[in-house]
Amino acid sequence: DAGVIQSPRHEVTEMGQEVTLRCKPISGHDYLFWYRQTMMRGLELLIYFNNNVPIDDSGMPEDRFSAKMPNASFSTLKIQPSEPRDSAVYFCASSLAGGNTIYFGEGSWLTVV
Amino acid sequence: GNSVTQMEGPVTLSEEAFLTINCTYTATGYPSLFWYVQYPGEGLQLLLKATKADDKGSNKGFEATYRKETTSFHLEKGSVQVSDSAVYFCALSSLTGNQFYFGTGTSLTVIP
Repeated sequence: DAGVIQSPRHEVTEMGQEVTLRCKPISGHDYLFWYRQTMMRGLELLIYFNNNVPIDDSGMPEDRFSAKMPNASFSTLKIQPSEPRDSAVYFCASSLAGGNTIYFGEGSWLTVV
Repeated sequence: GNSVTQMEGPVTLSEEAFLTINCTYTATGYPSLFWYVQYPGEGLQLLLKATKADDKGSNKGFEATYRKETTSFHLEKGSVQVSDSAVYFCALSSLTGNQFYFGTGTSLTVIP
């Protein structure tokens, strides 16, 4: 069974460019989470969706960040414009309501220079 | 509110040593408790979980017991291997299972 699939795995971009990270959750899961991991701040929840609807985006750092989930099998996290301090690993994760175990993707390793 | 506090790292052990990583939690009601492991360059993977008091989760030689009286879920392994070198995260989920709270992670290095 396929796990959570993220792309790209690695991205290096210049400051000011738009970055789009993509995620395909596990089929049948109705919760989707976006996390950011850095050495300084650890693992931070950015936003989560239930049945494609954003439920809590209080962790989104600022207006440069946006996330969408147009259907049950796809989500994007966009940063525009990107800044060097956005360099981090971004994880997508999904879970099944009631199952309460979160399954993580392999992460997207973003470097903004 | 809900929160997880876990032992500060990094932890360095010799192969075959006994491992304990402490984790305590604060929660309303009776959450589910988890340990996740992150190997270098990879995402977090579920290691084990327990869903009610006195349950013991176990996997790959690791164990943790849900202790309601001490609000703890300490991770233990009797004999660590070099391949256990990773970062370990304690976590809890709210009653509805849609909000997870992670600890800060404990880095473990096992040397031959």
